[in-house]
Amino acid sequence: QLQLQESGPGLLKPSETLSLTCTVSGGSISSTTYYWGWIRQPPGKGLEWIGTVYYSGTAYYNPSLKSRVTISVDTSKNQFSLKMTSVTAADTAVYYCARRGGPYGSGGNWFDPWGQGTLVTVSS
Amino acid sequence: EIVLTQSPGTLSLSPGERATLSCRASQSVSSKYLAWYQQKPGQAPRLLIYGASSRATGIPDRFSGSGSGTDFTLTISRLEPEDFAVYYCQQYDSSPYTFGQGTKLEIK
Repeated sequence: QLQLQESGPGLLKPSETLSLTCTVSGGSISSTTYYWGWIRQPPGKGLEWIGTVYYSGTAYYNPSLKSRVTISVDTSKNQFSLKMTSVTAADTAVYYCARRGGPYGSGGNWFDPWGQGTLVTVSS
Repeated sequence: EIVLTQSPGTLSLSPGERATLSCRASQSVSSKYLAWYQQKPGQAPRLLIYGASSRATGIPDRFSGSGSGTDFTLTISRLEPEDFAVYYCQQYDSSPYTFGQGTKLEIK
């Protein structure tokens, strides 16, 4: 059974860089079938797609975040990562990693399954 | 950017009743590229429906999705106690892939 687990610092100061890792178990991130994504949810609010990456490193991002975000893959560790620069209080959220539901070559940008999420708070 | 508006914001029903949740898109969502998720407090979202009407693996058949274009519906035929949660729709027709603001389904 595929499982995903987020990890990383829970507290950042404004202007710092957010770095999170998602460790995949029960399946290979190097699968040619699937992509992997990050989604966030501010406390008490809705969901926002951040970006999605293929095992080759090819990634695509939400245009509203693209200038600050990089998603990368480490196939040797079966992990993928999120970096977001110059964070502000508006970046305070639960960050989820997930597998893109549709296979390579499809338009299937839904997400299943999801990790449990990790809360990142930005505060001085 | 496609904006998804869910209604109602809160739906109060009793176990055994039928629930109908709406998701309206600001422009047409082609190829029925719409998904539904369920989220319970303190948990990650769980995929229920993709492709507007295809149930995800392990999802009970009391959950069904329908619709096309700009109007989509999630129906829960007979509510079980575990169905009371927040439900989100998501379009993946065009980037950025966006979510609705959610409908809270609460016990009456």
